[in-house]
Amino acid sequence: NAGVMQNPRHLVRRRGQEARLRCSPMKGHSHVYWYRQLPEEGLKFMVYLQKENIIDESGMPKERFSAEFPKEGPSILRIQQVVRGDSAAYFCASSPMGGTNTGELFFGEGSRLTVL
Amino acid sequence: AQSVTQPDIHITVSEGASLELRCNYSYGATPYLFWYVQSPGQGLQLLLKYFSGDTLVQGIKGFEAEFKRSQSSFNLRKPSVHWSDAAEYFCAVDNNNDMRFGAGTRLTVKP
Repeated sequence: NAGVMQNPRHLVRRRGQEARLRCSPMKGHSHVYWYRQLPEEGLKFMVYLQKENIIDESGMPKERFSAEFPKEGPSILRIQQVVRGDSAAYFCASSPMGGTNTGELFFGEGSRLTVL
Repeated sequence: AQSVTQPDIHITVSEGASLELRCNYSYGATPYLFWYVQSPGQGLQLLLKYFSGDTLVQGIKGFEAEFKRSQSSFNLRKPSVHWSDAAEYFCAVDNNNDMRFGAGTRLTVKP
């Protein structure tokens, strides 16, 4: 049973370009979370999604950032017109649905975005 | 406001010494409580969790944590630290599927 898969692991973009980060949750998991980790800082919650629904996006900047988790395919975190301050590690985590949800999150290895 | 606080940003201990990492939370009810560990360049791995019942929980790698309701704390402990324990440790709180993390404590282990 594969774990949470994130790609790309490393992404370099120039200012003004777009970054797309993908996350495939563990099999059977329908809850996806995105977190951002800045250098020397902890994990900051960005967004919580279930299939085709955004449940909580209170941690996501209002401008330039968006997230989706379509019925088919991975969850996508999209950052438009990137700036240097977007450079960070972006972690995806998943958990199973409903009664099987014990609250534990299973993390991917992260996508490290560098903006030049 | 709901929050998770890890007051120690960085802790250094000698190999073989005991360890305690602090975590406090502020939520209305007792949430689910977790400790995760992150090695450099890696994702987070679950060490242990508390849902209910016995307030002293055992985890992997010899770690344990104690939930103290009166203090709203969930401190992580290990009686004898190994060099391989050097990592970043995160306390997390899940309040109705809303998972929030503390800022983390970086552990350095001296030979």
